[in-house]
Amino acid sequence: GDSVTQMEGPVTLSEEAFLTINCTYTATGYPSLFWYVQYPGEGLQLLLKATKADDKGSNKGFEATYRKETTSFHLEKGSVQVSDSAVYFCARIMNRDDKIIFGKGTRLHILP
Amino acid sequence: EPEVTQTPSHQVTQMGQEVILRCVPISNHLYFYWYRQILGQKVEFLVSFYNNEISEKSEIFDDQFSVERPDGSNFTLKIRSTKLEDSAMYFCASKLAVTNYGYTFGSGTRLTVV
Repeated sequence: GDSVTQMEGPVTLSEEAFLTINCTYTATGYPSLFWYVQYPGEGLQLLLKATKADDKGSNKGFEATYRKETTSFHLEKGSVQVSDSAVYFCARIMNRDDKIIFGKGTRLHILP
Repeated sequence: EPEVTQTPSHQVTQMGQEVILRCVPISNHLYFYWYRQILGQKVEFLVSFYNNEISEKSEIFDDQFSVERPDGSNFTLKIRSTKLEDSAMYFCASKLAVTNYGYTFGSGTRLTVV
């Protein structure tokens, strides 16, 4: 069935390291793709989105490109900060649908 | 910035008891949702609500679950007779319009059934 698969965590990096969190999806059609972030004690916040193939979403130094050919939407950041420590969720919505399908989430720890 | 507020942040209940999880969506939003995340599992859709009725519900949302918008500001999720497997983080969300991007999520209620 339709799903979102993201890399298992936790991911632990040193400050200023390069970050990649992999995400792939399955869907019958062309979904809109999202990354959500949950900081400790807070709700799910939309980090970035892409609505069609080859779109690049970006926010706060994070980027992800909608790759139709590989059905992927990997999250990247060139230089992470301690404040980026959070749980990151990859997600998709089909345009005919109204509910979000989430991945399991990847916990990111950034060490000073 | 407007927020979706959920209370309580953590609730412990005995198996078989009824629980009501409360949410105050953003005041001018029209679409309301409940999602849940069992520890270590995916965040899963439970139910959507619009115009005072359920729009869609998942297989999880069986007869033990109900939702209500009793007073125009609160949006509640009731579990009639809790089971151990209902232990999870429950997220409320709202959005203004039917477009897919404008969800605002609350910080969640962690429900522990003992």
